[in-house]
Amino acid sequence: DAMVIQNPRYQVTQFGKPVTLSCSQTLNHNVMYWYQQKSSQAPKLLFHYYDKDFNNEADTPDNFQSRRPNTSFCFLDIRSPGLGDAAMYLCATSRAHLSYNEQFFGPGTRLTVL
Amino acid sequence: AQSVSQHNHHVILSEAASLELGCNYSYGGTVNLFWYVQYPGQHLQLLLKYFSGDPLVKGIKGFEAEFIKSKFSFNLRKPSVQWSDTAEYFCAVNARDSSYKLIFGSGTRLLVRP
Repeated sequence: DAMVIQNPRYQVTQFGKPVTLSCSQTLNHNVMYWYQQKSSQAPKLLFHYYDKDFNNEADTPDNFQSRRPNTSFCFLDIRSPGLGDAAMYLCATSRAHLSYNEQFFGPGTRLTVL
Repeated sequence: AQSVSQHNHHVILSEAASLELGCNYSYGGTVNLFWYVQYPGQHLQLLLKYFSGDPLVKGIKGFEAEFIKSKFSFNLRKPSVQWSDTAEYFCAVNARDSSYKLIFGSGTRLLVRP
């Protein structure tokens, strides 16, 4: 089945130690998104790629970076994780269409910062 | 700025009870509207969506939602809930002029007691 896959499902890192989360998709969608979801809160968009074009949200901290080496893969890099970065990180994809934007989500990676 | 409000953060129902979850959004232009569901331990998945046409939309598992433009609302309903409907429900809005950005509400946790 076509899907969005995130690895790892659980990630533990130390305060200040860089960490990379990965996302892959078999849907061949143009757009890939990264969201941060803290407990009991709405998913918050960090950034997205439309093909190779990177679009950062204005309030996304510089500590968060992303790479998309090809259509299928997208990475979230947290350069120096702080305790406040502990959250669920969701990857999503969608086909680019001006009036249609159903997003397909991966299972998420739960990040713990010690 | 666009925003989405879900007024019920926690809802507890008995099986066979009727469900209505409120969702209001603030945006003056044309929108696409979504309800996503997240079952325990699973990823976000689309329940139903509205783009245009009949404002009463039917989704999976017996859910429906009604778009009332004058009230900026998109409430989710189900006439008779089941224990398996226990999940977190997110309303989301996508403005047509910023088609890649999905704004989520903070979610409603539904617990259905057998």
